[in-house]
Amino acid sequence: DAKTTQPPSMDCAEGRAANLPCNHSTISGNEYVYWYRQIHSQGPQYIIHGLKNNETNEMASLIITEDRKSSTLTLPHATLRDTAVYYCIVRVPTGNQFYFGTGTSLTVIP
Amino acid sequence: DAGITQSPRYKITETGRQVTLMCHQTWSHSYMFWYRQDLGHGLRLIYYSAAADITDKGEVPDGYVVSRSKTENFPLTLESATRSQTSVYFCASSGLAGGPGSYNEQFFGPGTRLTVL
Repeated sequence: DAKTTQPPSMDCAEGRAANLPCNHSTISGNEYVYWYRQIHSQGPQYIIHGLKNNETNEMASLIITEDRKSSTLTLPHATLRDTAVYYCIVRVPTGNQFYFGTGTSLTVIP
Repeated sequence: DAGITQSPRYKITETGRQVTLMCHQTWSHSYMFWYRQDLGHGLRLIYYSAAADITDKGEVPDGYVVSRSKTENFPLTLESATRSQTSVYFCASSGLAGGPGSYNEQFFGPGTRLTVL
């Protein structure tokens, strides 16, 4: 299974863009990149996913490099409520499993 | 209410006791999952189920037993609890997998905080 590497923590000023990187150098051609976040002790929440192309939804944007070995999640205008642990996950091709790493703890500073 | 629920939300037990954590979802999702999250760590998959009566091991299955007699329920049993099983347990569900590489969002429950003394 492809593994992911994320920085353990990041800070971002409120109102600025938060750019969270993720390395997944061993990703396979048919594996998707997913992003989830976990606010405090709640259950994780889906944010966005992608395969090759850049993706955008109401919450965030996802940019995957052309070689697919890394990606960046962008929260365009971070708010205090975006303070959370963000997980970058590569989905295994068999079954429906997600393997979470330790994620990036994002703190949005007023 | 629709969604995914877990019970109990908090549980304290003693070493050697049997404990069952319940998970119930109202979406008729095919897939259900159990994760554990230890302090300072991410989530680790314990078991998952693709459908009723179909279960499979995840990363850390030792010491746990699951069953799935009905689509909506996926109980997790610790047959003889140990201190190392003190953790927060999350249940999740998702719809039918569309095949390798297909998208499938997982919906998580609120978690059960288990303490084994």
